[in-house]
Amino acid sequence: QVQLQESGPGLVKPSETLSLTCNVSGGSLNNSYFYWGWIRQPPGEGLEWIGSIYYRGSTYYNPSLKSRVTISLDMSKNQFSLKLRSVTAADTAVYYCARDAYYYDSSGYSCWFDPWGQGTLVTVSS
Amino acid sequence: SYDLTQPPPVSVSPGQTASITCSRNKLGDKYVSWYQQKPGQSPVLVIYQNTKRPSGIPERFSGSISGNTATLTISGTQAMDEADYYCQAWDTSTVLFGGGTKLTVL
Repeated sequence: QVQLQESGPGLVKPSETLSLTCNVSGGSLNNSYFYWGWIRQPPGEGLEWIGSIYYRGSTYYNPSLKSRVTISLDMSKNQFSLKLRSVTAADTAVYYCARDAYYYDSSGYSCWFDPWGQGTLVTVSS
Repeated sequence: SYDLTQPPPVSVSPGQTASITCSRNKLGDKYVSWYQQKPGQSPVLVIYQNTKRPSGIPERFSGSISGNTATLTISGTQAMDEADYYCQAWDTSTVLFGGGTKLTVL
């Protein structure tokens, strides 16, 4: 059973770079059936997708964050990472990593996130 | 604002049917997933590809879609179903989430 666990600093200063890692256990990143994604949730608010990465390294990002985001893979460690540059207080949120399953047929493309990590709170403050 | 529109909080009595909607123009052309999130916990997938239930999700959870609206239905709602529910879809290489609907079981 695949499990995901986020790790990284809980406090980041404004204008700096937020860096998080997601460790995947019980399954391999090297799997053509899945992408691997990051989603965040500001305190008391809803979910916002940040971006996802395929095992071959291709990525797709939320257009509203694309200019500040990089998601990468480390196959040797079975981990994937998030970097969000030039952070502000608006980037304060619980950050989740999740497996991003996808499927396409004549009706179109679908994706869904399962399972999710436990989440990690990142606060942007000086 | 969110790309998928969900209603304000919904209340239901135990044993009754709860329905939570999710709307967007031409949503019926897309596939929708639903997530349950209890306080202090990570979201859990309860419906994917409009109508499919992952293993371990009770049969009382079902999904449907028609026109511009997707619906999550919980039949015979139990106190343990009290949670926030989020819909999610994919459109033009972007993942979209609804703003969430809080379900209260009174």
